Amino acid sequence: GAVVSQHPSWVICKSGTSVKIECRSLDFQATTMFWYRQFPKQSLMLMATSNEGSKATYEQGVEKDKFLINHASLTLSTLTVTSAHPEDSSFYICSVSLPGSGNTIYFGEGSWLTVV
Amino acid sequence: KQEVTQIPAALSVPEGENLVLNCSFTDSAIYNLQWFRQDPGKGLTSLLLIQSSQREQTSGRLNASLDKSSGRSTLYIAASQPGDSATYLCALTGANSKLTFGKGITLSVRP
Repeated sequence: GAVVSQHPSWVICKSGTSVKIECRSLDFQATTMFWYRQFPKQSLMLMATSNEGSKATYEQGVEKDKFLINHASLTLSTLTVTSAHPEDSSFYICSVSLPGSGNTIYFGEGSWLTVV
Repeated sequence: KQEVTQIPAALSVPEGENLVLNCSFTDSAIYNLQWFRQDPGKGLTSLLLIQSSQREQTSGRLNASLDKSSGRSTLYIAASQPGDSATYLCALTGANSKLTFGKGITLSVRP
């Protein structure tokens, strides 16, 4: 069964609005979750590392004030795209490393964001 | 900085053919390497995980190899089926569980 659940799978929003994407670990606690973004025909790129109870660590070039990450519990991390613009339209996906699995990374289903 | 290359970007084969997907990387200091499958509009599914100390892993019709000295990994698919059509990505885990992905190879298996 699924190890990581991500919601919503698809979202369309208007320019200027904010969108929240949730990533939940199922049946286990995840102190660290990762957020990736994938533009069409491009590689998945790490955006930030979400740490439970502390501030997220952002990769170079990722605006922390635009992509707000909250990891308030051991099973939930949220990514909020603030003041979305059409160029933010992308595939966003979260992942966690399952403890005791040899560092196997499990991914959520991903969220397709379209900003119109 | 780790760079992962997957060539070609797309591949089309007839059903039943055995095929090899290639992945090359520049930094051999890796923790592990994984092959993923991504169907259109869907999330990623982990296919095989090879630890840094291992040479290969097998699951059903899939076999993945790892040669750190040459910076290469291959995913072998035996007796390909139309249901194998998807994008296959390789990704390497470096420090702090961060992955570096290739751009993927889009495979089409023709009936």
